[in-house]
Amino acid sequence: QQQVKQSPQSLIVQKGGISIINCAYENTAFDYFPWYQQFPGKGPALLIAIRPDVSEKKEGRFTISFNKSAKQFSLHIMDSQPGDSATYFCAGETSGSRLTFGEGTQLTVNP
Amino acid sequence: KAGVTQTPRYLIKTRGQQVTLSCSPISGHRSVSWYQQTPGQGLQFLFEYFSETQRNKGNFPGRFSGRQFSNSRSEMNVSTLELGDSALYLCASRWGPAKGLAQYFGPGTRLTVL
Repeated sequence: QQQVKQSPQSLIVQKGGISIINCAYENTAFDYFPWYQQFPGKGPALLIAIRPDVSEKKEGRFTISFNKSAKQFSLHIMDSQPGDSATYFCAGETSGSRLTFGEGTQLTVNP
Repeated sequence: KAGVTQTPRYLIKTRGQQVTLSCSPISGHRSVSWYQQTPGQGLQFLFEYFSETQRNKGNFPGRFSGRQFSNSRSEMNVSTLELGDSALYLCASRWGPAKGLAQYFGPGTRLTVL
């Protein structure tokens, strides 16, 4: 049973634009929501994370917006760069350190 | 500080064989988790170990097993390999098992089952 739904599946953005990836979750037991970035041939790398008692978290060009009542959260990448081209995964964590991942979004930033 | 290391990086096996994958966590990290990544199923949790004890297990058959050693290094074993076991197997480590601690992934072991 898929508990984290991620969209879009793929995204093409021009350099300097804003990339927006959305996730929705079902399991209200999730209480930690990280985003991971994965380049081909590499393991996922933690990008930014948020807890449900916070509505927004910003780190550099990356911002997470969180809507607890709607059970949705999103990643915004400002001033997108070609080096940001990668696959992005959202995830939710429950007790026992288990991460449940979304399906992934392949981001392409055109120069 | 060195990251999570996994060996081997690539592995080719045939159906029915068994395989053992190894993971060395970041120094000081005592919790190790394993994930399977496939194009069809995405990233799926296999199990987590802390202090040599399995704390949590995902929905995988008993052919998938693991263990953790006293130095926090971990191995996972897949017996009686099936074609569908072809995947990237990822190990992640964190300082401890508490919720909300960042998990750091290794580069993975690419397993191909022929």
